[in-house]
Amino acid sequence: GAGVSQTPSNKVTEKGKYVELRCDPISGHTALYWYRQSLGQGPEFLIYFQGTGAADDSGLPNDRFFAVRPEGSVSTLKIQRTERGDSAVYLCASSLGSGGAYEQYFGPGTRLTVT
Amino acid sequence: QKEVEQNSGPLSVPEGAIASLNCTYSDRGSQSFFWYRQYSGKSPELIMSIYSNGDKEDGRFTAQLNKASQYVSLLIRDSQPSDSATYLCAVTGGSNYKLTFGKGTLLTVNP
Repeated sequence: GAGVSQTPSNKVTEKGKYVELRCDPISGHTALYWYRQSLGQGPEFLIYFQGTGAADDSGLPNDRFFAVRPEGSVSTLKIQRTERGDSAVYLCASSLGSGGAYEQYFGPGTRLTVT
Repeated sequence: QKEVEQNSGPLSVPEGAIASLNCTYSDRGSQSFFWYRQYSGKSPELIMSIYSNGDKEDGRFTAQLNKASQYVSLLIRDSQPSDSATYLCAVTGGSNYKLTFGKGTLLTVNP
């Protein structure tokens, strides 16, 4: 079946601009996660949705970052007033349910470059 | 702070050899353990999950978990050049859904 999809695959934006990154999880997966991966590092947790609500947004670095999942499927990560330090690969993952035992499957990622 | 430590490598093995990748974690409450493979420029791909002490085998891959020592490893038998990638260890604790990753170990399998 189809895996997690993310669009765009690459995004180049100027410092100070607003960007939206989209994630479409595996069909039937209720849990959705956003991670961010910098070069040479493992992915770092940003936010977790169970259904429509953000169950945990403790990994969002500051209030410029916001994410929504209005219908419990597709999610959008929104970044306001982008900074060069926001440049990274943004990964979305989904799992069949919540809880540590559920396996998380990653999408191909969006490479964000802030110039 | 929960930490996951991996030797960054690179780990270089000849084709056909066994590659051994190691990971330690700091949170004794961690209960679920995962190995992801990440090719250069690609996203992490889940290859193994393990939840209880002991060994778990899947094809050429064996995951080993020792909770008392807070240690998890991945063995790759009959290594192939196509196994060359970065291997990421990740853990979650109980009902905690957050994956905490190590920095990954770069494995190179030489033909």
